[in-house]
Amino acid sequence: KAGVTQTPRYLIKTRGQQVTLSCSPISGHRSVSWYQQTPGQGLQFLFEYFSETQRNKGNFPGRFSGRQFSNSRSEMNVSTLELGDSALYLCASSPSPQDGYTFGSGTRLTVV
Amino acid sequence: AQRVTQPEKLLSVFKGAPVELKCNYSYSGSPELFWYVQYSRQRLQLLLRHISRESIKGFTADLNKGETSFHLKKPFAQEEDSAMYYCVSSSGGYNKLIFGAGTRLAVHP
Repeated sequence: KAGVTQTPRYLIKTRGQQVTLSCSPISGHRSVSWYQQTPGQGLQFLFEYFSETQRNKGNFPGRFSGRQFSNSRSEMNVSTLELGDSALYLCASSPSPQDGYTFGSGTRLTVV
Repeated sequence: AQRVTQPEKLLSVFKGAPVELKCNYSYSGSPELFWYVQYSRQRLQLLLRHISRESIKGFTADLNKGETSFHLKKPFAQEEDSAMYYCVSSSGGYNKLIFGAGTRLAVHP
């Protein structure tokens, strides 16, 4: 079956712009989480959605937001981009979180 | 706050040697712990979960609540075990994963 699909794979944006990243979970997976990975901070939790509801949020500024649609697909948005937002953004999905998550390949965002 | 510590950035061993990747956690409740692995040019993937007490690819991990540790062990390392290993804990509800910094395991022939 298809894995977790993230689009686009690579993105270059200018400081101050906004960006939207997309994630299509594995069919049947209702929990979708987002993580930011940087060399300095490692993997950090952004937020988790289940049945279109945000159930948990990490310690990121309000410029980072997300949503989940009725088909479980999810998007995350970062507004007013800063250089420090350059990172690999990973999406993960699970049928039930205690079973563990399946990760996508990520979207590499570069802010210049 | 929850925290996961992996003290070694790099662990280098020879093929056939035992491996132990260390992990310590801080969490006041009952932790749920996982090991995730990322092989070269592959996605991050779940290796094992402490609740299932399973052995995957010869790896095992035992939760020691007294020492707040969840070390990953394998008696005989193989070259294909070379990868980045992350110890991960989750809050109640499992839906927020806290990652350690990761340990890169290099198995030499």
